[in-house]
Amino acid sequence: QVQLQESGPGLVKPSETLSLTCTVSGGSISSLYWIWIRQPPGRGMEWLGYIYYTGSTNYNPSLKSRVTISIDTSKTQFSLKLSSVTAADTAVYYCARHTVAGNNDAFDIWGQGTMVTVSS
Amino acid sequence: QSVLTQPPSVSGAPGQRVTISCTGGSSNIGAGFDVHWYQQFPGTAPKLLIYGNSNRPSGVPDRFSGSKSGTSASLAITGLQAEDEADYFCQSYDNSLSGYVFGTGTKVTVL
Repeated sequence: QVQLQESGPGLVKPSETLSLTCTVSGGSISSLYWIWIRQPPGRGMEWLGYIYYTGSTNYNPSLKSRVTISIDTSKTQFSLKLSSVTAADTAVYYCARHTVAGNNDAFDIWGQGTMVTVSS
Repeated sequence: QSVLTQPPSVSGAPGQRVTISCTGGSSNIGAGFDVHWYQQFPGTAPKLLIYGNSNRPSGVPDRFSGSKSGTSASLAITGLQAEDEADYFCQSYDNSLSGYVFGTGTKVTVL
């Protein structure tokens, strides 16, 4: 079965760039959309952006200037970069897979999440 | 940050029925966008519980059901079990925000 696993530094300094990778195992990364979602402590989920296996992307307008998502189909990985981070970017970051579910996609497979703290 | 509003907590005794509301507005649920529900245990990945307002993925027990009306949606758990104690959140799409929106989350406690 398909599994997702996030990896990357758990601590990032303010003003630096947060970089995470999601490795897809047990299945194909092709013909699907993949998304990054985060959850700040004590708050609700927020989507950051998603990518199609072709490399086409769509970003949350509120974060668009700071977010870059890329994909490496040969490694079955997709990655997140979030620039100029502040303490407000401290959150658990999840990668997930889109699934067609009516008139807007749901997310049927999630990684376990990785906590990223922004602090000097 | 969360556009969809849920009660912070609900509780019930084993065997009882509990419902969780998810209230949105005219640019998301009220605009006709479907609602999906997730179950999450502490420290673990969310699990898709209900999709397209009322559909259960394979393997989800039929004691979980979903509905939608107007600008709100609901998740019902009938025959509450101890293993249902978890956090639940809803998700939809918002056309004014041009993206996905999530609920504030609800903690279900089995008394």
